[in-house]
Amino acid sequence: GEDVEQSLFLSVREGDSSVINCTYTDSSSTYLYWYKQEPGAGLQLLTYIFSNMDMKQDQRLTVLLNKKDKHLSLRIADTQTGDSAIYFCAESRNSGNTPLVFGKGTRLSVIA
Amino acid sequence: SQTIHQWPATLVQPVGSPLSLECTVEGTSNPNLYWYRQAAGRGLQLLFYSVGIGQISSEVPQNLSASRPQDRQFILSSKKLLLSDSGFYLCAWSAGQGGYTFGSGTRLTVV
Repeated sequence: GEDVEQSLFLSVREGDSSVINCTYTDSSSTYLYWYKQEPGAGLQLLTYIFSNMDMKQDQRLTVLLNKKDKHLSLRIADTQTGDSAIYFCAESRNSGNTPLVFGKGTRLSVIA
Repeated sequence: SQTIHQWPATLVQPVGSPLSLECTVEGTSNPNLYWYRQAAGRGLQLLFYSVGIGQISSEVPQNLSASRPQDRQFILSSKKLLLSDSGFYLCAWSAGQGGYTFGSGTRLTVV
């Protein structure tokens, strides 16, 4: 199967942590990505993790990968109103020419 | 540095009219190129991708077509637009296993 699943909506208060979850089905995935889409804009690569890692931290962003459960999460610390956007999870396969498989996106709303 | 250009930013077209959206990439050679569509409130739907000049893979059969006349140019076309073709069209490029870089998108409204 090629499904990448995400919850559609998440609402958090400013200053709290946000955790966006993603599950995938292909055990041969090599890289897993998180993209951010602000209203009316294209997608911006936020961060990625290689499949042999279980955690990656980049400033306020922490990516956790549970390869056994095929579960990926993105944690945003001290969430700000500027973090309001749609977040897409995506996986890539062994072949560099195979298109990424994207989830449907999680709309994060930050309440001031 | 690599850049991707996509135009126009917005487009309003009548039903039955033709369509041509263009995407060009600078600063890289032989990129993989992609066209996605995003309907309102929905996820990304892969329409076409290309791994080289003249090589087009279609993911969803519909009244759209794509062409890659040059290494860094990817064109999305339609001979006759339908109302259901409305959406946000995104072009992207990648190199091998690298993540995608997306263009800024074209908002197409078919009326």
